[in-house]
Amino acid sequence: DAKTTQPPSMDCAEGRAANLPCNHSTISGNEYVYWYRQIHSQGPQYIIHGLKNNETNEMASLIITEDRKSSTLILPHATLRDTAVYYCIVSGYGQNFVFGPGTRLSVLP
Amino acid sequence: DVKVTQSSRYLVKRTGEKVFLECVQDMDHENMFWYRQDPGLGLRLIYFSYDVKMKEKGDIPEGYSVSREKKERFSLILESASTNQTSMYLCASSLSTGTGNSPLHFGNGTRLTVT
Repeated sequence: DAKTTQPPSMDCAEGRAANLPCNHSTISGNEYVYWYRQIHSQGPQYIIHGLKNNETNEMASLIITEDRKSSTLILPHATLRDTAVYYCIVSGYGQNFVFGPGTRLSVLP
Repeated sequence: DVKVTQSSRYLVKRTGEKVFLECVQDMDHENMFWYRQDPGLGLRLIYFSYDVKMKEKGDIPEGYSVSREKKERFSLILESASTNQTSMYLCASSLSTGTGNSPLHFGNGTRLTVT
């Protein structure tokens, strides 16, 4: 079973920030939070990951709460091409990635 | 950028055929994985490999085998294809870091139809 809980769907207006939440209340100290997205008929695309600190790359920002029990993926200026299913995964050394149902993000014009 | 290449994007096979799905990665990753993805069931791990000639069963290995003769290549084999193996098959690879700080990188998938 997935160790994370995400809302099944979200909408976001084009050009606005998309904030996707994820709960992982049972995360262990050595487990990382990973985010992927999957556009229809393609393989999952790696977005970003982190352990404790907030992370930012060219695609997104990852905000992890201080207690590490939840996180938020931020797409700063969503475009129509960001419409996809977004997966939040918790995984540590020797553990396989378990994909839950994710959040279906619809970016609306 | 990591590139994981799956040999076929679409494949149609007949029941009972032996099917080979090939995956190649170009980043010298130690770990390679095969998943299948079905509507309503999400991604499920079939097999994985942490090194050449090594393999481990995932959650749904029945009906499948794998081969890893070279570090860059991981093959999924359906010994006798059945209609319930119609699915999207996804290959992934990752670096072995010993810490869990190692994202999976996926190929674009092979959509297999068994008739």
